[in-house]
Amino acid sequence: GQQVMQIPQYQHVQEGEDFTTYCNSSTTLSNIQWYKQRPGGHPVFLIQLVKSGEVKKQKRLTFQFGEAKKNSSLHITATQTTDVGTYFCLYNQGGKLIFGQGTELSVKP
Amino acid sequence: DVKVTQSSRYLVKRTGEKVFLECVQDMDHENMFWYRQDPGLGLRLIYFSYDVKMKEKGDIPEGYSVSREKKERFSLILESASTNQTSMYLCASSSPHNPQHFGDGTRLSIL
Repeated sequence: GQQVMQIPQYQHVQEGEDFTTYCNSSTTLSNIQWYKQRPGGHPVFLIQLVKSGEVKKQKRLTFQFGEAKKNSSLHITATQTTDVGTYFCLYNQGGKLIFGQGTELSVKP
Repeated sequence: DVKVTQSSRYLVKRTGEKVFLECVQDMDHENMFWYRQDPGLGLRLIYFSYDVKMKEKGDIPEGYSVSREKKERFSLILESASTNQTSMYLCASSSPHNPQHFGDGTRLSIL
């Protein structure tokens, strides 16, 4: 069956450093969504990627969908303390919407 | 703005009790979902529904059931609560192929 791994599980960075989380699938994905969950909060939608090789930007955040639609990444440039939280990918698996394991980002001021 | 409301923010129940968690959305969304979130395990799908009176099992349905009698309401039922069901429960709704909107969650403790 389809296997999607999200890595890393945790990332600790100094404020101003960059951060990247990856979702890697063993099979082709129809689309992928990214969510952010702040500590004590609920997941909030960030972006949806549909097309092969798609790249979307939101200020300091860059989202990519691989050419083969098996991999996706979320990159944050020059992290700030407001970026703290857990980032999840969400993908479709046989009609079920499944979240990746999440990457917890902590930022040291 | 989409509003997904979960009936309780915190809930404490006893082992063996029947527990109801309610979720209501105000955006006429077809799809509704129940997840549980545990440290190190992320969000795991319990049940989902794509229409009234329709339900599908997610990845961890054992020990749970759901009810969707009206489009706006999706209830999660713990038939006989056990301590391993202590968790954060999150409800979400969406229209087809669109992002999910989450409620604030219910932190459930089973003693």
